[in-house]
Parts: sequence; C-alpha cells; structure tokens
Amino acid sequence: DIQMTQSPSSLSASVGDRVTITCRASQGISNFLAWFQQKPGKAPKSLIYAASSLQSGVPSKFSGSGSGTDFTLTISSLQPEDLATYYCQQYNSHPLTFGGGTKVELK
Amino acid sequence: EVQLVESGGGLVQPGGSLRLSCAASGFTFSNYWMHWVRQAPGKGLVWVSRINSDGSGIEYADSVKGRFTISRDNAKNTLYLQMNSLRAEDTAVYYCASFTSGWDWGQGTLVTASS
Repeated sequence: DIQMTQSPSSLSASVGDRVTITCRASQGISNFLAWFQQKPGKAPKSLIYAASSLQSGVPSKFSGSGSGTDFTLTISSLQPEDLATYYCQQYNSHPLTFGGGTKVELK
Repeated sequence: EVQLVESGGGLVQPGGSLRLSCAASGFTFSNYWMHWVRQAPGKGLVWVSRINSDGSGIEYADSVKGRFTISRDNAKNTLYLQMNSLRAEDTAVYYCASFTSGWDWGQGTLVTASS
C-alpha cells in the first residue's frame, strides 16, 4: 500500500496568513492526488484533484502543486471559515490511501 | 450537480448486520466506479471498498474482507454495502464517494456497533 505522510499534523496561523501543507507519498503517484477539507461533524469537501485542478465552486485562494511523491496545498490568505482539518489522498493505485490530516487553527 | 445520499446506518449489536445504501443523482451512475470510505470517531479517513462501473470488479480493505459486500444497481442509481459480523471497531461514519470531474462525497451515515 502507498503511505501518505502529511505535515504538519496541526498548525496555528493568523487571519490573512499564507498557509502551506505538505503531503509525501511513499512511492510515485504521478499527479493522482486530491485534497479535502473537513469541518467538525461534516463530510469531507473536495478542494483539489489531479494535484493542481481546482474542484468546481472552490475559491481560488486554494491551490495545489506537485507531482511524483511531493505535493503541497496552499491557502493564500487564511480566513476564519478555513479552520478545518485537511487531508490528502492518493488515487493512483488501490487501496486508496489518505494522509493523517492537518488541523488548521487560529493563532 | 452530483448528489450522493447515504442511508441505512444505526445502532447494531456486535455480530449483527446492516445494509447501507447510497442514492446517486446528477451524473451517469452506470459509467463510474464507486467507493465506500469510513471515519471512526475522532480519527482519519479510511477506504473500505470499491466497485467498478458494471459491478464486475470489486476490492475490499483487509479489515472488512469476508464480512462486507459491496454491490450496485445501475437501474436504480444506487450503491450498497452489506455489512455482516459487525465489530466494535467498525463503528464509524460511512461515506460513499465517486470520481467524476473531481471527487464527490455523500453526507455520511453513522454505524455504531455496540452492546
């Protein structure tokens, strides 16, 4: 199975900060990488697919990059509504696997 | 707009059974693979099972193999997960998901296996 390692596991940032979350795959996954946002008690919401393609309806402050084994999710200007846990997921091969999550909190 | 709506969750005793359903709309259901993903309380996301578009290709996570059965009815645009021999560690919110133009998720249904 492909292991997905996210870092950091949590972070504190101020409103307006640029936030970057990284995800590393244990082997190459091309660009078959997605990012999800999950708020407490809610279903995951898709942000990015194919490493850098923005899901329809998602604001452009979210962006993704990377290929192969190393990927990043960037929030250009953190807002209170962005407080959530973020997960990466590889869908290059089965089983689908997820990172452990990054909890984003306000400083 | 893609919509996925799960149902069928509830409280069941360990060793019991439940069948989850996922009603799909807004896309051509019969063209797409479908997945079940679960999330135990306070934990991360874990893939459970997937089925290809015509039901001929199925895979399971090792933790549910031999106990869970995924199926689909393309005429009814519905995905199923039959869960037998439930254990306490199966307690989770179960989501159905599909990849059309990006990933889409249902709202989830809670399964609690407890005496």
